[in-house]
Amino acid sequence: SAVISQKPSRDICQRGTSLTIQCQVDSQVTMMFWYRQQPGQSLTLIATANQGSEATYESGFVIDKFPISRPNLTFSTLTVSNMSPEDSSIYLCSVEMTRNFPDTQYFGPGTRLTVL
Amino acid sequence: DAKTTQPTSMDCAEGRAANLPCNHSTISGNEYVYWYRQIHSQGPQYIIHGLKNNETNEMASLIITEDRKSSTLILPHATLRDTAVYYCIVRFGNEKLTFGTGTRLTIIP
Repeated sequence: SAVISQKPSRDICQRGTSLTIQCQVDSQVTMMFWYRQQPGQSLTLIATANQGSEATYESGFVIDKFPISRPNLTFSTLTVSNMSPEDSSIYLCSVEMTRNFPDTQYFGPGTRLTVL
Repeated sequence: DAKTTQPTSMDCAEGRAANLPCNHSTISGNEYVYWYRQIHSQGPQYIIHGLKNNETNEMASLIITEDRKSSTLILPHATLRDTAVYYCIVRFGNEKLTFGTGTRLTIIP
């Protein structure tokens, strides 16, 4: 498995501002993902962070709202742009070590975001 | 859409075995069954996965029926720290994980 850290662990932000969440892994991983968990809900995949190229977004999520970077095999960022109270959620980074079948995804501790 | 059906909630007495059922009647031959749990707003924790044989690790056992249409996750000696939401997920290859609503397991002292 991998040790995954996220920064910040929580934040309270004003509407209209942006927040960048960092995800750091202690070893090189093949795949990195970003999920959102709205209050009382299950997890929803936002996008797959691709190293060296644009992220692959799921239906309902767009790059302008959730720009993602992945400069190397151990680090990724997710920005939540022009925030509104509806963006209040837990944002989670997850990784897969390889592309072997089947592989296992491991999750970071999450970033709890509250937008006022 | 999630491919699994789980009870919304369950209780289990501390020290007893917790048996969490999952129905996946439309599972195909190459799809694996994965279990994760999420302890109060922490990141989901991987527990175990299997294809058709029963599996056991240090956390739990996974029993898959012969027709693979259902499975049971067994926590052999539940403790208060096992209180969490447990997610049963059917997954083919490396496709994305799709989380349903899971089972909220409460361990009762």
